[in-house]
Amino acid sequence: GAGVSQSPSNKVTEKGKDVELRCDPISGHTALYWYRQSLGQGLEFLIYFQGNSAPDKSGLPSDRFSAERTGGSVSTLTIQRTQQEDSAVYLCASSLRGQLLSSYNSPLHFGNGTRLTVT
Amino acid sequence: AQKITQTQPGMFVQEKEAVTLDCTYDTSDQSYGLFWYKQPSSGEMIFLIYQGSYDEQNATEGRYSLNFQKARKSANLVISASQLGDSAMYFCAMREVTYNQGGKLIFGQGTELSVKP
Repeated sequence: GAGVSQSPSNKVTEKGKDVELRCDPISGHTALYWYRQSLGQGLEFLIYFQGNSAPDKSGLPSDRFSAERTGGSVSTLTIQRTQQEDSAVYLCASSLRGQLLSSYNSPLHFGNGTRLTVT
Repeated sequence: AQKITQTQPGMFVQEKEAVTLDCTYDTSDQSYGLFWYKQPSSGEMIFLIYQGSYDEQNATEGRYSLNFQKARKSANLVISASQLGDSAMYFCAMREVTYNQGGKLIFGQGTELSVKP
């Protein structure tokens, strides 16, 4: 079956512009996660969705960052008024279940990411 | 707050030899899961192996095994019979089993493994 799909794969934008990054999770996966990976660094958690709600937004770095998920499927991460420090690879992941105690062995399945460059 | 520490920024191993990548974690929870991922230069994140905090035996998946020492809070990845294709970044991650926390994974900084021919 299809894996996690992210688009665009690359995005170059000017400082101050808004960008939208899209994630299409694996069909049937109710949990969806956004992470950010700066060059040579580990993965930084941004936000988690269970269905269409986001019970954990604790990783969003500022109010310029927002995300939504519709129909329990596709998610969009929006960055407003981009800054150069926003340059990174944005990774989306999904898993079969996110909020059940029995699901803690469910791995996250990652997309190939969107490489964002802010000039 | 949970924390993952990978103290080896880079490692070298000779082809066909075994290598151990270190991972220590810090959590106050009794229930948690530990994961290892591989990230080749292409950038994709590949799930390798999982260990639950209550699992009595060390996890194994093919050439990958996890040396889980709960009292020491360590979960080292052992790769046996290294291959050139094993050259990649390796990330250790932890999930605390806390309802409503969403089961997010917290990642370490990674270890870059280079396999020499």
